[in-house]
Amino acid sequence: GAVVSQHPSRVICKSGTSVKIECRSLDFQATTMFWYRQFPKQSLMLMATSNEGSKATYEQGVEKDKFLINHASLTLSTLTVTSAHPEDSSFYICSARDLVGQGFLSPLHFGNGTRLTVT
Amino acid sequence: AQKITQTQPGMFVQEKEAVTLDCTYDTSDQSYGLFWYKQPSSGEMIFLIYQGSYDEQNATEGRYSLNFQKARKSANLVISASQLGDSAMYFCAMREGWGDSGAGSYQLTFGKGTKLSVIP
Repeated sequence: GAVVSQHPSRVICKSGTSVKIECRSLDFQATTMFWYRQFPKQSLMLMATSNEGSKATYEQGVEKDKFLINHASLTLSTLTVTSAHPEDSSFYICSARDLVGQGFLSPLHFGNGTRLTVT
Repeated sequence: AQKITQTQPGMFVQEKEAVTLDCTYDTSDQSYGLFWYKQPSSGEMIFLIYQGSYDEQNATEGRYSLNFQKARKSANLVISASQLGDSAMYFCAMREGWGDSGAGSYQLTFGKGTKLSVIP
């Protein structure tokens, strides 16, 4: 099956530093990847849609200068949390859709998520 | 208004019994898809089953089935013969719109989830 690898799985950083999270589709190509954020015991909230070769589309209320997204190839998207603050501590999870899709009902494949803790 | 509503924050089920997790949705689109994902405590999201709005038959996938009632706008997940490994968070999600016109049409909107605990 389609595998999405997300790295790192856990990261602790100091306030004011930047953290980069990678999302790779291992056995398929993905023109589109989605970045979600999940607070403890809550649902997944879409942050942005990452498009290969173009600028990401951010959801309302998500600061694009704080959450930098780069989708440089068909298999890699990165999310960089810049100048991190404790309130950015959360679970970030990426997902991707296979370019050779099965149509509208093709499921998104998710990475294992990154737990970010900002001290 | 919430697009996906899961009214059961937590559910308990005896091992080997069946359990139904509720999901109602709100959309004005004619074409949409409904998905269920399982999230164990480790965090990964595992795709379970989907149902298209035009599908006349309820989807089934092994022990999972989706009870789709279009008029009621509900898409409940039924897990038969529960196993201890089924203990996890379960999320219902919806994709609205139809066609390959743009990336945005493939995003999923999630409900708040139901925590299922299987009792031995």
